[in-house]
Amino acid sequence: DAKTTQPPSMDCAEGRAANLPCNHSTISGNEYVYWYRQIHSQGPQYIIHGLKNNETNEMASLIITEDRKSSTLILPHATLRDTAVYYCIVRVASAGGTSYGKLTFGQGTILTVHP
Amino acid sequence: DARVTQTPRHKVTEMGQEVTMRCQPILGHNTVFWYRQTMMQGLELLAYFRNRAPLDDSGMPKDRFSAEMPDATLATLKIQPSEPRDSAVYFCASRSGGVGSPLHFGNGTRLTVT
Repeated sequence: DAKTTQPPSMDCAEGRAANLPCNHSTISGNEYVYWYRQIHSQGPQYIIHGLKNNETNEMASLIITEDRKSSTLILPHATLRDTAVYYCIVRVASAGGTSYGKLTFGQGTILTVHP
Repeated sequence: DARVTQTPRHKVTEMGQEVTMRCQPILGHNTVFWYRQTMMQGLELLAYFRNRAPLDDSGMPKDRFSAEMPDATLATLKIQPSEPRDSAVYFCASRSGGVGSPLHFGNGTRLTVT
């Protein structure tokens, strides 16, 4: 799976958009970009994933550059409860194969939302 | 919302004791993962199963750790004997077999070995 690079920490004001970047310059054509977050004392929580098109769900938007070498997770209106560690992970999205969907976590970005 | 359930949430034990952690994956999910999280190492994959069969346990210390799935609704992770360096939060996750389907994590078992 391709390696990802994220800033170690970011701040955001409550109510503003939080834009979390991720570099994955070695991504392969069949690798998806996944975002998870981990709130203190909880397990990681799935947010969103995408291949090459931008994606949006009730939690966030994912913008992937045309060359797929980087992406941005957008929390449109951050709240205090969005304070968490955000992980960007790249992996092959196959139903089976040799990895069966396992995820390799890096250090992530600590997002702090302040009042 | 369907959830992955882990028990116990907290466990304190003495070095040398056996520890068993349990996980109930989401009904219908056929792939189960065990992760360990420490401050130093972050989230590490220990082992995973598909349709109850172990696929890869290369992340586990073989001499003291064992993982099993007695049935489709229960996965267990056992440490015998436990050591202080095993202190960590252990997470279970499950996913369905669909392409791209995400992992769903439980809230972990926080293990402290004294």
